[in-house]
Amino acid sequence: EAGVTQFPSHSVIEKGQTVTLRCDPISGHDNLYWYRRVMGKEIKFLLHFVKESKQDESGMPNNRFLAERTGGTYSTLKVQPAELEDSGVYFCASSQYQDGNTIYFGEGSWLTVV
Amino acid sequence: EDQVTQSPEALRLQEGESSSLNCSYTVSGLRGLFWYRQDPGKGPEFLFTLYSAGEEKEKERLKATLTKKESFLHITAPKPEDSATYLCAVQAYTGNQFYFGTGTSLTVIP
Repeated sequence: EAGVTQFPSHSVIEKGQTVTLRCDPISGHDNLYWYRRVMGKEIKFLLHFVKESKQDESGMPNNRFLAERTGGTYSTLKVQPAELEDSGVYFCASSQYQDGNTIYFGEGSWLTVV
Repeated sequence: EDQVTQSPEALRLQEGESSSLNCSYTVSGLRGLFWYRQDPGKGPEFLFTLYSAGEEKEKERLKATLTKKESFLHITAPKPEDSATYLCAVQAYTGNQFYFGTGTSLTVIP
């Protein structure tokens, strides 16, 4: 069974440009999460989808970040315009259920803004 | 505020030298505590879930335990391939997000 897949694995963009990250969750997992780890800090929550609906987006840092999950399958996270402080690793994770269920992570999308 | 603190930040062990990693947590009602392993350049890989104080889980050389305030990841007779960063995370009843610690970087020397 395929795990959580993310694309691109690495991206280097200039400040002010736009980047779109994609996540394909494990098949059958209705819950999809985005997390981020910036240099030297812990992994932090960004948002949570249940199917195509945003369940919790309290961790989104500002309105330059836009996440979508059309059709309840794959998700995209767009950063527009990118700033230097957006550099880090963006992880996508998925789970079948909520309520204490284990979430499974992808390999991450490593973003560098220069 | 829900938070997780892991110690030590880094640990170097000789092959076969057993030790423990600590995860202290403060959470408004624990729904679950999770241990992950992360290799360089990879995503976190799930190891264990613990739900209530007194619970223990084992997998090969790893054993995770849970109290009301902390969790330990015990490593028995580690091998070089156990070298990785070990992450602890908690989930509270008040939401579905995971709160992560900064991890313990483990190096096992042959």
